[in-house]
Amino acid sequence: EIVMTQSPATLSVSPGERATLSCRASQSVGSNLAWYQQKPGQAPRLLIYAASTRATGIPARFSGSGSGTEFTLTISSLQSEDFAVYCCQQYNKWPTFGQGTRLEIK
Amino acid sequence: QVQLVQSRAEVKKPGSSVKVSCKASGGTFSSYVFTWVRQAPGQGLEWMGGITPIFGTTNYAQNFQGRVTITADESTSTAYMELSSLRSEDTAVFYCARGPSSGYSYFASWGQGTLVTVSS
Repeated sequence: EIVMTQSPATLSVSPGERATLSCRASQSVGSNLAWYQQKPGQAPRLLIYAASTRATGIPARFSGSGSGTEFTLTISSLQSEDFAVYCCQQYNKWPTFGQGTRLEIK
Repeated sequence: QVQLVQSRAEVKKPGSSVKVSCKASGGTFSSYVFTWVRQAPGQGLEWMGGITPIFGTTNYAQNFQGRVTITADESTSTAYMELSSLRSEDTAVFYCARGPSSGYSYFASWGQGTLVTVSS
């Protein structure tokens, strides 16, 4: 099983600032990496797939980068609705998810 | 855009089973992988397994092998997940999700989730 490790567990950022979230895979997953946003009581929402491709309807302030074992989700100029939990998922082999990063208002 | 609608919340006794449904509307049902994901309270997402209706094939995560059965009814475009030998640690929200193809990949469409509470 490929283990996905996200850091930090919690990130405090002020609105309007940039947030950078990290995801590391225990072995190479190529570019088979997705990012999701989840708000309390809601299902996850796909943001990014193939490491850097924004899903339909996702604002341009969300961007993904990386390949192999190291990945980053960047949210430029945070909006109030962006404060949520973010989770990465690899699909190079059977799907596995990271434990999530909680993005909170500073 | 496919919509996935799941069955209602359930309360179950330890040792019993639960069967959760996921009805798809919009798009072709059989050609895609339908997968199930568990999320315990305050915890992350955990892939349980999935089914590709057109091939009739299922795959299960090792953690759930022997306890989970995933099926699909093409006539009603509904996928099912049955979890047996329930214990308190199985209290969670269970999501169905669908990817963009017949292989396991990312999940663009999600059901609303079904809360299963295991309590004596």
